[in-house]
Parts: sequence; structure tokens; C-alpha cells
Amino acid sequence: DSGVTQTPKHLITATGQRVTLRCSPRSGDLSVYWYQQSLDQGLQFLIQYYNGEERAKGNILERFSAQQFPDLHSELNLSSLELGDSALYFCASSVGTANYEQYFGPGTRLTVT
Amino acid sequence: AQSVTQPDIHITVSEGASLELRCNYSYGATPYLFWYVQSPGQGLQLLLKYFSGDTLVQGIKGFEAEFKRSQSSFNLRKPSVHWSDAAEYFCAVGAVEYSGAGSYQLTFGKGTKLSVIP
Repeated sequence: DSGVTQTPKHLITATGQRVTLRCSPRSGDLSVYWYQQSLDQGLQFLIQYYNGEERAKGNILERFSAQQFPDLHSELNLSSLELGDSALYFCASSVGTANYEQYFGPGTRLTVT
Repeated sequence: AQSVTQPDIHITVSEGASLELRCNYSYGATPYLFWYVQSPGQGLQLLLKYFSGDTLVQGIKGFEAEFKRSQSSFNLRKPSVHWSDAAEYFCAVGAVEYSGAGSYQLTFGKGTKLSVIP
């Protein structure tokens, strides 16, 4: 158990819908990262937050957004969902903003039908 | 931009045999290197990391990896594989971006799936 929690574990929704994925980092970690894992693209970095502020953006679509709240939990919002958005979404956390190993949550499996 | 190549998509070994999983990276500065393992339906677990210093690093579950700067490689090894090691293994490089507020990204390879024959 990494100490990073993600809810829900599974999510099934229809195209065009909007969903919110939630992540709670390890105690004491200030950075939260979101990743998407799909069969064709592999593991891709989406976005990083540090202590409530956005720090880095990767291959995140405009339909996707995230935020980190004062209690340090984070939410990833996915809207206007398409079939291709079906994937495993991982949250990871680390102590600081750089040079630290990241600890991953168990992931949320999103299926868009 | 940094990149990671894991040349082997799938490797099968017999239980008790030795294992080496290959990883090559591309990064302009001294890299921060990691190996993660993902069991089916699970998240990623950190096996080991290299930040600096001794180029041979020890990790959990009996794994080790060697950083070779001249070959831009960070191969993962285990002297004797157990059936429970069957999983997918990911190599990653961490890159620090100092512009602006500073940020840090992990770039992952495509993974190597390990099957173990009892």
C-alpha cells in the first residue's frame, strides 16, 4: 500500500458525459501528479500540482482539467468524454516539487461506452 | 525532451533463472532513473531509484539496477526469478524543469511484460 488513495476504482459512463476522479496523496506529500495509461499510448503524464498550484502540464487534453485543494487532495475532471478516453488514470504523489520519487495510487479504470 | 526505450515488449523466463530487463534513456543532463513494477489490476510500485553516487543500486524484492552513463542505460537485474515476479516492469526518467515555478516530470517507457514459467 503506497498511501495514495484514489476513488472510484471503476467508472463506466457514456460518451459526452463528465466525470470526476479523486486522489488523496500520502500524508506529508505536497505534489500530486496525474497519469493516463492506455494500451496504445502507454503511461502518459497529464498534469502536476504542488501545494495547490499547477506546476507542469503534459499531454493533457483541453477537455480535461484538474485542481488541488487546500487539504491537498486533488480532482481530475474529464468532460465531453469520448471512447478513446477509456483508460486507467493514476494519481501519484511526492514530497516536493522536484527530484523525488513518486508513489502511485491503485488507479481508476474509466470505461466510456 | 527526455525519452525512455524498453526494447523488449515481452520476456519469458523459467523460475529460478536470472533476469535482465533493458532500459535506455535519452536526457541532456544527469538523469534521475526509476524502475516500477505493475501487477495485473494494480498500481505502480517503486522497485528502485538512481539519483547519484554508486551506479549499482539495490531495490526491493531482490532487484538491482546498474546505471551506465556511456551506454545511456539503466538495466534491471535479478539473479533468481520467482513466479510472483510475473508482472509488467516500467523504466522511467525524471526530468527537472527549472523555468518558471519549477516542475518535475516522469517519462515512462512502454513497459516489459515478464512471464515466469514454473
